[in-house]
Order: sequence, then structure tokens, then C-alpha cells
Amino acid sequence: GAGVSQTPSNKVTEKGKYVELRCDPISGHTALYWYRQSLGQGPEFLIYFQGTGAADDSGLPNDRFFAVRPEGSVSTLKIQRTERGDSAVYLCASSFSDYNEQFFGPGTRLTVL
Amino acid sequence: SQQGEEDPQALSIQEGENATMNCSYKTSINNLQWYRQNSGRGLVHLILIRSNEREKHSGRLRVTLDTSKKSSSLLITASRAADTASYFCATQRAAGNKLTFGGGTRVLVKP
Repeated sequence: GAGVSQTPSNKVTEKGKYVELRCDPISGHTALYWYRQSLGQGPEFLIYFQGTGAADDSGLPNDRFFAVRPEGSVSTLKIQRTERGDSAVYLCASSFSDYNEQFFGPGTRLTVL
Repeated sequence: SQQGEEDPQALSIQEGENATMNCSYKTSINNLQWYRQNSGRGLVHLILIRSNEREKHSGRLRVTLDTSKKSSSLLITASRAADTASYFCATQRAAGNKLTFGGGTRVLVKP
């Protein structure tokens, strides 16, 4: 079956702009996660959805970051007033249930100029 | 902050040799997962080992878990050039569902 998909694959924006990153999880997976990975480092957790609700948003760095999953499937990560330090690869993952394997998408490489 | 720490940070071996990398973590866990990443993009899930398991195999991969030492190891036997990648361990704690990743081990398999 289809894996996790993310769009766009690359996004270049200017400092101060607003961006939206989309994640389409594996069909039937109720858990969805967003991570951020900087060059040479491991991914860092941002937010976890179980169904439509954000069960854990403790990894969001500040209030410029927000994510939604209105119908319990597709999720959108929204970043307001982007800063150069937001440049990273944003990874989305989904899993069938808690405490199971997480399957990752290819990521969106965000570059803030 | 990253809970898992991989060792070594980088590893260079010849094709056909075995590659071993280690992961240490700090808090109690529900499970530990190993992932492979090529070219800094999507992660591929390799193995999940639960806290009540000590060893798991998948093809040429062997993972061990020692909860008393809070450590895990990943062994790749008979390595191939295609195994060249970064390998990450990630822990999932008993409370909460996020994965906490280490910094990774960069493995180069020379043909």
C-alpha cells in the first residue's frame, strides 16, 4: 500500500513569511507525528495526534508553530513569521496504534532565506 | 533533548564485514526502535524491540537490548555497499508516544 506522503518536498521561503506543510498518513493509521531534523542530527519531536486531537504538543518550539488534523487523516503543520532558524527537514510519521512502529514520510526540506 | 546516544558516531568498513553500533539511553522505555536514513531524508524502520525482549533478528540485522544497562546494539552482518547510511536508535517511553532519537551512526561500507 501507499506509504506516508508529504508535500511539498522542498519549500524555499523568505524570513517572515507563512508556510504550510502537508502530511498524508498511511490509511487506517490513527496516530500521526511531526518531527524536525537539522543537518547532522537526529529527528526531534514536535507534535503527536491521536485521531483529530493533539495528544502531545510539547515539542513545538514556540507559538509560531501550529498543526491541525481536522478529519483525523491529513495533517498540516503551519509556521508563521518564519525565521532562518526554522530551516530544517520536517518529517511526518504515522503508526497503527500506540507503541508500534512509526512509518516516516520522505520529509519536506524547508529553507528560510 | 535527545535521550539515545549512538556510538560510534561514524564507522567505515569493507563490504562483507560486520558492523556493530551501540545506543545508550537514560530513562525507562516501552520499546526501542532502529531506523536507517539515506541522504538525510525519510527514515526506514528496521526493528522494534520491546522492553521485555532481549534479542531480535531480521534478515542480516540483529538487535539486542539490555534494560539493566539501558543500552542496545545493532549488528549488520555481511555488510553491503547498499548498507551505507545513517542509523538511528529511538526510544519510546512507557508514558507518551513520541520517539526520542539519538544523533545517529554514519556507516560507510566500501566495496
